[in-house]
Amino acid sequence: EAAVTQSPRNKVAVTGGKVTLSCNQTNNHNNMYWYRQDTGHGLRLIHYSYGAGSTEKGDIPDGYKASRPSQENFSLILELATPSQTSVYFCASGGARGPDGQLYFGEGSKLTVL
Amino acid sequence: GDSVTQTEGPVTVSESESLIINCTYSATSIAYPNLFWYVRYPGEGLQLLLKVITAGQKGSSRGFEATYNKETTSFHLQKASVQESDSAVYYCALAVSSNTNKVVFGTGTRLQVLP
Repeated sequence: EAAVTQSPRNKVAVTGGKVTLSCNQTNNHNNMYWYRQDTGHGLRLIHYSYGAGSTEKGDIPDGYKASRPSQENFSLILELATPSQTSVYFCASGGARGPDGQLYFGEGSKLTVL
Repeated sequence: GDSVTQTEGPVTVSESESLIINCTYSATSIAYPNLFWYVRYPGEGLQLLLKVITAGQKGSSRGFEATYNKETTSFHLQKASVQESDSAVYYCALAVSSNTNKVVFGTGTRLQVLP
């Protein structure tokens, strides 16, 4: 079954440290996304990608970088982690450009920055 | 801009009672956005519950229904008789552009169903 898998599922980091969240999809979808979920804010889009080699800024990109080295993999990078980046992060993949828009999500990565 | 507003949770109902979670949207970048309800069960990732891509149509899944109302810009989620297993967080969402496949989510509504 097609799936989106994230790693690590739980991460504790120190302020100023570097954090990389990884995402792999077997859906063969062109589009991939990184969201963060916070109480009272729902899911907010950080970065997304149309395909290998492309990354686009979402609604809250500050403090985050993204990398899409292949169709299957999409990483979210926090070069200098801060406590405000403590959150649950979700990766998703979606179909080709078109009017559908359905997303397929991973199980989430809980990040705590101390 | 594009946005989604939904019932603020938590919502607590007893098993076999009816449920409605309100959702209204504002879509400025596209006239007819695609509308979705996603659900996150405890310990799992988000998954699609139902979707409607045509105004005026109704979507249904697992006993839940939602009708795409263009006039009132609403997409309320309803169920006639909830079960304890429906306890989860529900997100209303819209796809704002057929070009970017970008999806905007509401803040989520936590539903607790009491046995």
